[in-house]
Amino acid sequence: GESVGLHLPTLSVQEGDNSIINCAYSNSASDYFIWYKQESGKGPQFIIDIRSNMDKRQGQRVTVLLNKTVKHLSLQIAATQPGDSAVYFCAENTGTASKLTFGTGTRLQVTL
Amino acid sequence: DSGVTQTPKHLITATGQRVTLRCSPRSGDLSVYWYQQSLDQGLQFLIQYYNGEERAKGNILERFSAQQFPDLHSELNLSSLELGDSALYFCASSLDRGSNSPLHFGNGTRLTVT
Repeated sequence: GESVGLHLPTLSVQEGDNSIINCAYSNSASDYFIWYKQESGKGPQFIIDIRSNMDKRQGQRVTVLLNKTVKHLSLQIAATQPGDSAVYFCAENTGTASKLTFGTGTRLQVTL
Repeated sequence: DSGVTQTPKHLITATGQRVTLRCSPRSGDLSVYWYQQSLDQGLQFLIQYYNGEERAKGNILERFSAQQFPDLHSELNLSSLELGDSALYFCASSLDRGSNSPLHFGNGTRLTVT
């Protein structure tokens, strides 16, 4: 069954296209950011992280971009696959707190 | 597989009852976090333990409590349950006490209060 809210923003992309998921974070003191993927019935799965001293980091098929000026984070997924369909969350940590604060999430739907 | 184990996977109970959720962190991780995920609230931080001691507290109700044992597993106790407590409860673990490493989540316990 569904594990997250029904009123999430949804991004629909065709298989093979690139996806860009955006996140606005709230705290200018945040110095560590993570993207998580959550599939139905599962817990959030770590995708990629970035620290505030960087503005770009690449992983396998994924890239995270950080714009501290406007407090914006994005996740780019190259050659999107059906298995990428999930809810994606960004999370931030201010460095003074040992917890992550999560955004509301974006549902990615991959169409064939 | 994140390496974080949560039991039970599903729990159905009545209002007013008390339940205990269990979490085993990844091998080597010293920090355990509890999060609540409901349809209208997203992922909400409840509490963190590091090496047996409470480290940080979030929006945890007084009816809820947690502890971390010497073997580093953790339990979340929910008492005087209300309908609004129905949610997914996730445990996560990390190596350190702070913000320098990602949290790894279990697959959660789905609590239904009837």
